[in-house]
Amino acid sequence: GENVEQHPSTLSVQEGDSAVIKCTYSDSASNYFPWYKQELGKRPQLIIDIRSNVGEKKDQRIAVTLNKTAKHFSLHITETQPEDSAVYFCAASIGISYYQLIWGAGTMLILQP
Amino acid sequence: NAGVTQTPKFQVLKTGQSMTLQCAQDMNHNSMYWYRQDPGMGLRLIYYSASEGTTDKGEVPNGYNVSRLNKREFSLRLESAAPSQTSVYFCASSVSAGEQYFGPGTRLTVT
Repeated sequence: GENVEQHPSTLSVQEGDSAVIKCTYSDSASNYFPWYKQELGKRPQLIIDIRSNVGEKKDQRIAVTLNKTAKHFSLHITETQPEDSAVYFCAASIGISYYQLIWGAGTMLILQP
Repeated sequence: NAGVTQTPKFQVLKTGQSMTLQCAQDMNHNSMYWYRQDPGMGLRLIYYSASEGTTDKGEVPNGYNVSRLNKREFSLRLESAAPSQTSVYFCASSVSAGEQYFGPGTRLTVT
């Protein structure tokens, strides 16, 4: 079946440094790639998404890049702050449908003061 | 707006018991979803409803049934609970495909 691999599972960075989380997907027909943030005990919330006709998208300190040829996409967070501590999930659509998403296992981002 | 609400917040069942998890949204969204979240495995789609009157299986539908009662409500039923169904269940909704808004979750334990 289709799958999404996410690395690393845990990422520890100094406050103010950058963080990068990477995902690879298996379905070559996937065309929608969202990233969600889940704080401890809370619900997942969308932070940024990208569609297959775009190679990069930015929103303030957050950016996502997509390489369709290699079937991987990455989340970049610059100037990390304490409120960035959370678990981050990537996901990829199954085929051309945006309804069905396959999710990565998550990355716990830990900020060191 | 309350957004997406789920009941109950917590539930403990014995093996073989049945129950229904309720979900409602007040954002006039067309699409609704049920996920389960297990440690180290991310979210897995159980069922979804692209629009009122339709439901489709997701990645892990076995042991579950759903009902899209109306545009606002989407319920998930466990007919005969098993310990493997111990998990946190999230309901979500979206306008169509795209950004999904999640409920607060239901923590279910099956003993």
